[in-house]
Amino acid sequence: GENVEQHPSTLSVQEGDSAVIKCTYSDSASNYFPWYKQELGKGPQLIIDIRSNVGEKKDQRIAVTLNKTAKHFSLHITETQPEDSAVYFCAASKGSSNTGKLIFGQGTTLQVKP
Amino acid sequence: DSGVTQTPKHLITATGQRVTLRCSPRSGDLSVYWYQQSLDQGLQFLIQYYNGEERAKGNILERFSAQQFPDLHSELNLSSLELGDSALYFCASSLQPLGQKEAFFGQGTRLTVV
Repeated sequence: GENVEQHPSTLSVQEGDSAVIKCTYSDSASNYFPWYKQELGKGPQLIIDIRSNVGEKKDQRIAVTLNKTAKHFSLHITETQPEDSAVYFCAASKGSSNTGKLIFGQGTTLQVKP
Repeated sequence: DSGVTQTPKHLITATGQRVTLRCSPRSGDLSVYWYQQSLDQGLQFLIQYYNGEERAKGNILERFSAQQFPDLHSELNLSSLELGDSALYFCASSLQPLGQKEAFFGQGTRLTVV
């Protein structure tokens, strides 16, 4: 079945360090991989996404990489800041299906210490 | 602000009762998704509507139902509520029903069943 595994479940870094969150998906037909940031009391906010025809995408301090062969994708945050502290979710969906439903990982709680 | 509006923000009700959660999608978005977020289950896809019609079903209980109206707003109805139904319920919207399209989440409705 469809499944997305996300690691680690918690991550603590010092301000200015990099943070990496990794996800593995099970359905090889998945071809869209968004990342969401969820702050306390708020809904998930789309921060970056990648499609299967691309291996890497960057947006300022955030980057996502995709390895289709390994069915693995990762979020990289450089020069972390305290405001990056939040829960991060990876997700996957299949563009070939008739639905855009997202299968989410379990989430990573990132704490950036000042 | 994602542009997706959910009401109410908080709801406290007793077991056995019925509640209705409401979602207004972003202007122009035709597809609405409902997700349930509980502490131990993460974000779980419940159901999707596109332009008024049901598009996909996920892990939605028979006690739960949803619909999308001609003005594209959607309602999620939860009946015969149980303590285990306590969770955050999120609505997301996207322009099209298929994958590879960005989905934007509302702030959620926190349901507490007592």
